[in-house]
Amino acid sequence: AQSVTQLDSHVSVSEGTPVLLRCNYSSSYSPSLFWYVQHPNKGLQLLLKYTSAATLVKGINGFEAEFKKSETSFHLTKPSAHMSDAAEYFCVVSDRGTGFQKLVFGTGTRLLVSP
Amino acid sequence: DADVTQTPRNRITKTGKRIMLECSQTKGHDRMYWYRQDPGLGLRLIYYSFDVKDINKGEISDGYSVSRQAQAKFSLSLESAIPNQTALYFCATSDPLPGLAGNEQFFGPGTRLTVL
Repeated sequence: AQSVTQLDSHVSVSEGTPVLLRCNYSSSYSPSLFWYVQHPNKGLQLLLKYTSAATLVKGINGFEAEFKKSETSFHLTKPSAHMSDAAEYFCVVSDRGTGFQKLVFGTGTRLLVSP
Repeated sequence: DADVTQTPRNRITKTGKRIMLECSQTKGHDRMYWYRQDPGLGLRLIYYSFDVKDINKGEISDGYSVSRQAQAKFSLSLESAIPNQTALYFCATSDPLPGLAGNEQFFGPGTRLTVL
């Protein structure tokens, strides 16, 4: 069965500094991987997704993630944090075992951005 | 207008009461899902439906039931609410094409349920 581990429950950065949110996955098949963002009192919005094409995936708002099969990782990065990036981020996996129709969520990483 | 809507957005109820959460979508997707979110646990799947005649249990279906009234409507019921069902509930939909890698899900705004 597929699973996701988000290695940090909270990450704190200063505005203008780089962001790194870490995610490791487990899957018996070639997975699809997603990052979703949840702003306070809002629903979930897709940031980016990996579907076995390019290993470096670019998303919205300057975020990107790199799929590394050898490390079973899909870390999310951004060169320069903005105050509006403060939110909770979820790494998510799906795979062929469920016809790519079920998502398995990590426990989330809360990103705090200070001025 | 939002593609996936949930009603109510907030609800406070008492232990033992029956409550229904409703979800509607205008995306034309066949597949719909109900999740609950608890702090530190991420989102967990309660039930999912691949079409009007297909209902499946997720990982935490005990204490919940669902009804798929139409392609666009998927309701979640708590027959007898208990305090540990206090959570944020999300409805989601996904593309009707099966087996397609990268099938993202589209989420509603959530319903915050408190059971006293």
